[in-house]
Amino acid sequence: EPEVTQTPSHQVTQMGQEVILRCVPISNHLYFYWYRQILGQKVEFLVSFYNNEISEKSEIFDDQFSVERPDGSNFTLKIRSTKLEDSAMYFCATRRQGSSGANVLTFGAGSRLTVL
Amino acid sequence: AQSVAQPEDQVNVAEGNPLTVKCTYSVSGNPYLFWYVQYPNRGLQFLLKYITGDNLVKGSYGFEAEFNKSQTSFHLKKPSALVSDSALYFCAVRDQSSGNTGKLIFGQGTTLQVKP
Repeated sequence: EPEVTQTPSHQVTQMGQEVILRCVPISNHLYFYWYRQILGQKVEFLVSFYNNEISEKSEIFDDQFSVERPDGSNFTLKIRSTKLEDSAMYFCATRRQGSSGANVLTFGAGSRLTVL
Repeated sequence: AQSVAQPEDQVNVAEGNPLTVKCTYSVSGNPYLFWYVQYPNRGLQFLLKYITGDNLVKGSYGFEAEFNKSQTSFHLKKPSALVSDSALYFCAVRDQSSGNTGKLIFGQGTTLQVKP
């Protein structure tokens, strides 16, 4: 079964450092998302991306965050200057375009970010 | 505002007994509803969805869910629980206010504990 692949699985970084999280979507999927889950809390939407541009972003997704798909394959989330409160599990999700069946988001296994 | 509520932080059930994990929603228009499961250190896995049609939908691993429009509920059920069903379960609704981005809004999650 096709999978969404995320790297790294775990990253530890110092506060103020830049972090890039990578996601390889399923090949025929055109919509991409980043969600995050702070330990013990709900899964929160960060951003959606379609046709090489952001289609929607949440209040969490401030100027410290950016997304891009530089090579038509990897979909990346960059945090420019990490803060302690950025420590969370970050999930990439993708979906294909089309009919109601396309509403299903397929999630990656997540990247755990620990900011010290 | 669109929202999903899972009123129970944890549900405990004995193996072989039926289980129910509750979810209520608030959306404008017809809801697109989903259940996802998260095993420890894993991503979210799709279980089932309701888009339209029969109120009782069947999904993976023997799970089913009943859509009740009058009670704005979408409870997850299984006739006979297994120890391996122990996991974190999320109810989600497609955000109808975000156009075609397909963004999902998640509930806070319910931990299901099945005891042998």
